[in-house]
Amino acid sequence: DTGVSQDPRHKITKRGQNVTFRCDPISEHNRLYWYRQTLGQGPEFLTYFQNEAQLEKSRLLSDRFSAERPKGSFSTLEIQRTEQGDSAMYLCASSLPTGINLEAFFGQGTRLTVV
Amino acid sequence: SQQGEEDPQALSIQEGENATMNCSYKTSINNLQWYRQNSGRGLVHLILIRSNEREKHSGRLRVTLDTSKKSSSLLITASRAADTASYFCATSEVGGGKLIFGQGTELSVKP
Repeated sequence: DTGVSQDPRHKITKRGQNVTFRCDPISEHNRLYWYRQTLGQGPEFLTYFQNEAQLEKSRLLSDRFSAERPKGSFSTLEIQRTEQGDSAMYLCASSLPTGINLEAFFGQGTRLTVV
Repeated sequence: SQQGEEDPQALSIQEGENATMNCSYKTSINNLQWYRQNSGRGLVHLILIRSNEREKHSGRLRVTLDTSKKSSSLLITASRAADTASYFCATSEVGGGKLIFGQGTELSVKP
């Protein structure tokens, strides 16, 4: 499977715990995006990388959220001290930065439930 | 915050009918894209229309873009039950590097 891979697919955690999600993009893609999606809503932008550089981070993103892409390949998204409001689907996408017309390829997402 | 506003929020039609979904946005864009999402799954790219294009076709999909009105429409012709999904528009802003998604239209096609 050469698509975007996310792990785990589902995560249930207790409030206050830390969680980490992983995303493996399509191998030749050097842009990687993280989005959050709650039920009935569109994906909300969190952050994106070009290679290992984090180019933009949403102002709405709490400082409990951190993302890394240390070698410009896979990425991790960590949420510290989880809250019930963090329950959502976390989506990763990747793309080629060919000009300005980018098609993003999405993974299946990680569904987080904070209890 | 989301840029796109989609209309309608939900649409229910019979198989064989056409489905039209609309999207409005606020800023200058490089392109507008439409994605499909089946329940609980990731998003699948359907079609991209550049800011200098007015209409684009792909199979049963027809997308229009009116940059003067900052709006786009997605038409699915001869719908099938398998088209049941949520459809999202996403814009790539001028000077930006990310896609900004609308709230989506939930399409239900009844056999």
